[in-house]
Amino acid sequence: NAGVTQTPKFQVLKTGQSMTLQCAQDMNHEYMSWYRQDPGMGLRLIHYSVGAGITDQGEVPNGYNVSRSTTEDFPLRLLSAAPSQTSVYFCASTLGGQRMSEQFFGPGTRLTVL
Amino acid sequence: QQQVKQSPQSLIVQKGGISIINCAYENTAFDYFPWYQQFPGKGPALLIAIRPDVSEKKEGRFTISFNKSAKQFSLHIMDSQPGDSATYFCAVPHTGTASKLTFGTGTRLQVTL
Repeated sequence: NAGVTQTPKFQVLKTGQSMTLQCAQDMNHEYMSWYRQDPGMGLRLIHYSVGAGITDQGEVPNGYNVSRSTTEDFPLRLLSAAPSQTSVYFCASTLGGQRMSEQFFGPGTRLTVL
Repeated sequence: QQQVKQSPQSLIVQKGGISIINCAYENTAFDYFPWYQQFPGKGPALLIAIRPDVSEKKEGRFTISFNKSAKQFSLHIMDSQPGDSATYFCAVPHTGTASKLTFGTGTRLQVTL
């Protein structure tokens, strides 16, 4: 049981480039989320999904797209990278129901946009 | 938009001392309040959580105290150890849907020898 996996671990982009951060979970969790972590700002929700084919916006969705074609995978796309998107990105999943607040996080992707 | 205020921002405690971290929220329709622990270079991990039908929950050296009327909950770490040095986040479910969590800004705890 690998839990939540994220790739890549590190990435450097130039302004305007696009890329996809990958996230996968093998726990059959319905709920998945993407957060970004910046110093002094905690974890902020970018997008989340309550099941395959269903996504919704979080607090800071601008500049990011998501899709959920399978239960296991929840990729995050940066359409045109900007320096303000330099951050550490975490994917998380949860079983839902009464265990909703028990989120399992991946190891993170550290992204630098030059 | 849920507001969650966590304090202090950083904390230095001697080994064997008590670490206390506080969290205050505005509103939530859901009843499950977690604390997460994050070590450098790792993702956060659930440490302990409480349902507010109880005022306190203890797991080993970690205790959550909950005050529903004041909309506050706190994490107490008894007999703090150097291995507890990490960043701690409280989280509160959104009023609209429990599938969204709002996290506090984090408390960096350092336990010294």
